[in-house]
Amino acid sequence: AQSVAQPEDQVNVAEGNPLTVKCTYSVSGNPYLFWYVQYPNRGLQFLLKYITGDNLVKGSYGFEAEFNKSQTSFHLKKPSALVSDSALYFCAVRDLDSNYQLIWGAGTKLIIKP
Amino acid sequence: DGGITQSPKYLFRKEGQNVTLSCEQNLNHDAMYWYRQDPGQGLRLIYYSQIVNDFQKGDIAEGYSVSREKKESFPLTVTSAQKNPTAFYLCASSIPRLGGTDTQYFGPGTRLTVL
Repeated sequence: AQSVAQPEDQVNVAEGNPLTVKCTYSVSGNPYLFWYVQYPNRGLQFLLKYITGDNLVKGSYGFEAEFNKSQTSFHLKKPSALVSDSALYFCAVRDLDSNYQLIWGAGTKLIIKP
Repeated sequence: DGGITQSPKYLFRKEGQNVTLSCEQNLNHDAMYWYRQDPGQGLRLIYYSQIVNDFQKGDIAEGYSVSREKKESFPLTVTSAQKNPTAFYLCASSIPRLGGTDTQYFGPGTRLTVL
């Protein structure tokens, strides 16, 4: 069965420092991976996805993610964090065994301190 | 949140009542989805629909019902059979693509509280 894990409940980063939010996955075939962001009491906003091709995927708001097949990871990164990046981040993987539905990580709360 | 609207934003329900959450999209997307979000958990799929007049159960469909009479609309009814309905409910839509490469776009959500 497909699965996705976000090993950190919370990540704290100082403003201006680089940030990384971790995601690992388990799939039986080629993975389709997604990152979303959620601000308090709001819906999810799509950031980026990996389907195939270049391992470094660039997305919205200066975020990027690196697909690493050997480590089965898809970590979200940003070179310089902003206070406004503080939010809840979700990683998801497409479940190829269940009509292509998304399987979601539990989320990582990112706190950027001024 | 783009062309997906959900109403109401907050909803309060007494035990034993059915309530209906609205989801409308003007993105011309064929597929629509309902998710439930609880603190500390990932999203869980309740129901989804890939085409008008057809829908499938997700992982946690018990106590919920849906209809898809129009492409733009996918209302969710939380019935009295749902034992723990207090949660944040999210509607999403997408253009289905072969192999599952489509991106889902989300509405702003409805927070349901049982009194």
